[in-house]
Amino acid sequence: DVKVTQSSRYLVKRTGEKVFLECVQDMDHENMFWYRQDPGLGLRLIYFSYDVKMKEKGDIPEGYSVSREKKERFSLILESASTNQTSMYLCASSFNSGGETYEQYFGPGTRLTVT
Amino acid sequence: AQKVTQAQTEISVVEKEDVTLDCVYETRDTTYYLFWYKQPPSGELVFLIRRNSFDEQNEISGRYSWNFQKSTSSFNFTITASQVVDSAVYFCALSVGASGGSYIPTFGRGTSLIVHP
Repeated sequence: DVKVTQSSRYLVKRTGEKVFLECVQDMDHENMFWYRQDPGLGLRLIYFSYDVKMKEKGDIPEGYSVSREKKERFSLILESASTNQTSMYLCASSFNSGGETYEQYFGPGTRLTVT
Repeated sequence: AQKVTQAQTEISVVEKEDVTLDCVYETRDTTYYLFWYKQPPSGELVFLIRRNSFDEQNEISGRYSWNFQKSTSSFNFTITASQVVDSAVYFCALSVGASGGSYIPTFGRGTSLIVHP
């Protein structure tokens, strides 16, 4: 059974703290994604990675960075958390094959509150 | 650029009613892929269906069915005889086909379906 796991379901941090959100997939997928989900705004892409050590900015990368040192792990880093980063964070992975695009598999999400 | 529009923000039905969730997409690519995902209250998005642009056959899976019409750029999702367990947010997404590189899906904003007992 395919699996994407995220390090925490709920997280509470203080303004200015450095925050690490970890995501691990066990499907040997090339692509990994970080989204944030806010009411009425749907899913917004923060960063994605299509290979180890490769990363590209999504729609809202400001205030975030990422790291992908191993194929199965994709970390999202909030360098200095702010209250406007309070949100649900979703990690996803997908694979490519023969030039075709396949579905994403999502983790359970991390609900981050910054106080 | 790709765009996905889910015009229905929220739909409320009573159990056993049929309900259709609309999805309209925009792309200039001739090769593309459409998806539906379900996000129940627990939060985890679950994949429901993938359809490529060359396959316009409608699909039925139990109470779920999908109507893909390239002429109207729509990929609508119908739940027959809805149940309370169908209550969730449903997302439609679009990816274009490419060789090499990454494929970044574009998501609609989602439709919240509430099924009352």
